[in-house]
Amino acid sequence: DGGITQSPKYLFRKEGQNVTLSCEQNLNHDAMYWYRQDPGQGLRLIYYSQIVNDFQKGDIAEGYSVSREKKESFPLTVTSAQKNPTAFYLCASMVRDRAKGRGATEAFFGQGTRLTVV
Amino acid sequence: AQKITQTQPGMFVQEKEAVTLDCTYDTSDPSYGLFWYKQPSSGEMIFLIYQGSYDQQNATEGRYSLNFQKARKSANLVISASQLGDSAMYFCAMRELLIQGAQKLVFGQGTRLTINP
Repeated sequence: DGGITQSPKYLFRKEGQNVTLSCEQNLNHDAMYWYRQDPGQGLRLIYYSQIVNDFQKGDIAEGYSVSREKKESFPLTVTSAQKNPTAFYLCASMVRDRAKGRGATEAFFGQGTRLTVV
Repeated sequence: AQKITQTQPGMFVQEKEAVTLDCTYDTSDPSYGLFWYKQPSSGEMIFLIYQGSYDQQNATEGRYSLNFQKARKSANLVISASQLGDSAMYFCAMRELLIQGAQKLVFGQGTRLTINP
């Protein structure tokens, strides 16, 4: 089955450490995204990538870094510069679906990674 | 910038009743798309329904329908015959166009729906 796989599901980080969250997709989608979700809140965009070897900052990119060396993979690194990294992180892909109408889009999400700083 | 507003932080509904979750949006783009997602306690985002700004009819998917009122910029989700398994967070989101043809989703704050037996 096609989809987005995030790992690990739970991650614990010590203060001052960098950690990398994995996101893999087999949907053959060009566009991939990382969102952050804090308790009781909506999702906020961290980074996105439209094509391999290219990525753009989202609304809350400070303290994070990404790479896009392969179409299938879009890992997110939470660096020690991120002051409040404890959150739920969701990876997503989006694709236009013209069969569903003008401008129609589909978005797919992974299962998420819950990061806790200890 | 586009904005999504969900004014109901929490809602409590009796099983089998219909429920309406409110969503208003703000955009100056003539082409946009509206989404509703369900997020159970496990955290996954489950797609429920999509409405395009050019769609003439309100979207429906099984027990879910979207009450799209373009002039009022509202896209309320209606769940008919609610079930205990409908208890979850519900998010309204809008597709926003970025540079070079890119797009992203802008999310509201969510509504926590609780279905009582």
